[in-house]
Amino acid sequence: GQNIDQPTEMTATEGAIVQINCTYQTSGFNGLFWYQQHAGEAPTFLSYNVLDGLEEKGRFSSFLSRSKGYSYLLLKELQMKDSASYLCAVRRTQAGTALIFGKGTTLSVSS
Amino acid sequence: KAGVTQTPRYLIKTRGQQVTLSCSPISGHRSVSWYQQTPGQGLQFLFEYFSETQRNKGNFPGRFSGRQFSNSRSEMNVSTLELGDSALYLCASSRGALNEKLFFGSGTQLSVL
Repeated sequence: GQNIDQPTEMTATEGAIVQINCTYQTSGFNGLFWYQQHAGEAPTFLSYNVLDGLEEKGRFSSFLSRSKGYSYLLLKELQMKDSASYLCAVRRTQAGTALIFGKGTTLSVSS
Repeated sequence: KAGVTQTPRYLIKTRGQQVTLSCSPISGHRSVSWYQQTPGQGLQFLFEYFSETQRNKGNFPGRFSGRQFSNSRSEMNVSTLELGDSALYLCASSRGALNEKLFFGSGTQLSVL
């Protein structure tokens, strides 16, 4: 079957760095996505990894190791507005643009 | 450029009824996919349409169906509603290439009583 695991909840303080891990076991792999979803809003795209390594985009970075079935999202210089759910999702081969999502990690940032 | 638009925003139905949800993708996007989001299961893929053809389907019963029109707008229908169908239904669009991100709408919150 398809399985994507990520922690349910995490807490951090403003200005800190937090790493959200994601492990996956899927039949076929064609890329890993991270989305951010604020309560009551649509998920918005953060990052995409299809090759091993680190992708950096401003305060956010994402890492992928295909051999380990592992990814992480790194958030630096945390701000209160970063309090949200972070969703890890895998796109499989032969599956169009469909994504398999983990259940999401709710991040709470406090001052 | 307008984003993905879903209507209605909220719906209340009773068991046994049917419901139709609508999604207008971003202009130029030919792929529309639908997801169900619940607190217990998270986001689960329902189906994807590309150029009016269903390209992929998730593991949902046949009560869930969809279609796409020539202008890329899509509808999703759920027949014989059950209490467990209460969820946020999200529509996402893209140009359809396999390395592209999805753009999500704000969803339709369906409550089945």
